[in-house]
Amino acid sequence: DAKTTQPPSMDCAEGRAANLPCNHSTISGNEYVYWYRQIHSQGPQYIIHGLKNNETNEMASLIITEDRKSSTLILPHATLRDTAVYYCIVGYGGATNKLIFGTGTLLAVQP
Amino acid sequence: DAGVTQSPTHLIKTRGQQVTLRCSPKSGHDTVSWYQQALGQGPQFIFQYYEEEERQRGNFPDRFSGHQFPNYSSELNVNALLLGDSALYLCASSLGGWTSGLTDTQYFGPGTRLTVL
Repeated sequence: DAKTTQPPSMDCAEGRAANLPCNHSTISGNEYVYWYRQIHSQGPQYIIHGLKNNETNEMASLIITEDRKSSTLILPHATLRDTAVYYCIVGYGGATNKLIFGTGTLLAVQP
Repeated sequence: DAGVTQSPTHLIKTRGQQVTLRCSPKSGHDTVSWYQQALGQGPQFIFQYYEEEERQRGNFPDRFSGHQFPNYSSELNVNALLLGDSALYLCASSLGGWTSGLTDTQYFGPGTRLTVL
């Protein structure tokens, strides 16, 4: 079973920041938080991952709470192309271990 | 830089038949994982291959088998197809050797849509 809890759906206005929450209250000390997204009928796309510190790349920012029990993915300026299902995953060693997907959050960016 | 590629894109089979799906990993990657995604669900892990051996396996029956070749490409075979095997089959590649550490992740291909009639 997935070890994360996400809202099933969210809306965001185009050009505004999209903040997607994820709860992972049972996360272990060495487990990373990974975010992927899946645009309709395509393969999942890696977005970002982190362990303890906040992370930022060209796609998004990841904010992890100090107790590591929750995190937020931030898309700073959402566009219509960001409409997708966003998956929050926790686990060890993303390269060598299976990724356990939940049902994710469907983000709908509105014009 | 070529990403993960999968073939075929779509496939239609009938119950009881066998199917083979193919995956070429991202350049420089040596590990291939396979996932099954039923409609409306998140992907479910089938198995992972590294150094031509099955390294991990999810909760799938023996009808699901795989192979990894010396060039790191991989095949997924499903025997005795059932209607419930209809799904999007995803391949993901990564760098899985001892040098990769814990910070690498998996990159997915576009998937093969299998329909079983």
